[in-house]
Amino acid sequence: TQLLEQSPQFLSIQEGENLTVYCNSSSVFSSLQWYRQEPGEGPVLLVTVVTGGEVKKLKRLTFQFGDARKDSSLHITAAQPGDTGLYLCAGDRNAGNMLTFGGGTRLMVKP
Amino acid sequence: GAVVSQHPSRVICKSGTSVKIECRSLDFQATTMFWYRQFPKQSLMLMATSNEGSKATYEQGVEKDKFLINHASLTLSTLTVTSAHPEDSSFYICSARDMRVQGYTFGSGTRLTVV
Repeated sequence: TQLLEQSPQFLSIQEGENLTVYCNSSSVFSSLQWYRQEPGEGPVLLVTVVTGGEVKKLKRLTFQFGDARKDSSLHITAAQPGDTGLYLCAGDRNAGNMLTFGGGTRLMVKP
Repeated sequence: GAVVSQHPSRVICKSGTSVKIECRSLDFQATTMFWYRQFPKQSLMLMATSNEGSKATYEQGVEKDKFLINHASLTLSTLTVTSAHPEDSSFYICSARDMRVQGYTFGSGTRLTVV
């Protein structure tokens, strides 16, 4: 059982559609990060959320941290083929001592 | 921004040999680095935490004698896969935290194939 449950695991959509990825846990995190990873590369940090209820926007991506700091969501508006990749949420429980990853969401956006 | 350099990016080795993977923080110092393993189409699994000047901390189920970690300086950690077997074939990724940013920076990964 993973500490961070990420859903859905796979998502295949058409260009222009919206989507939401969820990251849930029963544990509280000091911060939660979202990464995007392309095949054969390391994950690249998209955003870090720290405060319960926090919402951050990165162009067409909107990230939200739950009020209790146990869950987070990533919403993509008008998805583009360039958004294709593996999206990973990761929780930091001890302020920099260790990062725990969710199972990942593999997104494919078809033109 | 923070940059972590990892090499080699790909390596093929014969069974029974050892392979060393390097992870360097280029523009910041990292007292702690992390080593992950990733199987195809799966998420990252933490193998060990590398501590500068002291022993690494290994996750449960990871053999410390199999995966030797050395963190001899504030900018370099190495992972040596000893007596490699085909089941060690995987994608290995290191990361470090630059305290100037909120988040971890990852290396580009090493694809290890043991034949």
